[in-house]
Amino acid sequence: NAGVTQTPKFQVLKTGQSMTLQCAQDMNHEYMSWYRQDPGMGLRLIHYSVGAGITDQGEVPNGYNVSRSTTEDFPLRLLSAAPSQTSVYFCASKPGLVDKTQYFGPGTRLLVL
Amino acid sequence: AQTVTQSQPEMSVQEAETVTLSCTYDTSESDYYLFWYKQPPSRQMILVIRQEAYKQQNATENRFSVNFQKAAKSFSLKISDSQLGDAAMYFCAYRSAGHNNNDMRFGAGTRLTVKP
Repeated sequence: NAGVTQTPKFQVLKTGQSMTLQCAQDMNHEYMSWYRQDPGMGLRLIHYSVGAGITDQGEVPNGYNVSRSTTEDFPLRLLSAAPSQTSVYFCASKPGLVDKTQYFGPGTRLLVL
Repeated sequence: AQTVTQSQPEMSVQEAETVTLSCTYDTSESDYYLFWYKQPPSRQMILVIRQEAYKQQNATENRFSVNFQKAAKSFSLKISDSQLGDAAMYFCAYRSAGHNNNDMRFGAGTRLTVKP
């Protein structure tokens, strides 16, 4: 199993541009989530999904959209990037909502100029 | 909302010695989970150890152990016989045990340096 994969590893955007961060897992996990990591703040939950077709907001959802059309994929979309969205983004998955352990991807570093 | 505090931004330990990383949390819940994650320079988040709040016994995973003090809301990580590969950022995290509560809270992290 590849586990949780994320692409790209690094991206530079200009303010106002849009892009999609890709996340995929091959473990047949129902639950997937997106976090952002900022210096001195740990990780904060952006959006999560408990299964295909179901998504919900986390702690810091503004400026981000998600969809879950398949069990494997959970893309994160930035419709109009802002410098405040400069961060490292982590995707994570686990078998189900109540499972204790999450499996994290390697992260995507995003720089918005 | 629950908060997780790691009061040590940086820690240093000599190879083969023991180091303890501190974590405190604030919650009004009685049932929850606590985690320590390791983040090496590769940036991948790796689960080190987890603790269920209802268990009194401290969790242990090889050289890693925790000191869970529920009344004090403290959850420290002890690394014994430190190795160079232990150098990383360490994050403490909290998650409610409620089935409808997905909120996982992380501390700001502690950067551990291991000196040869």
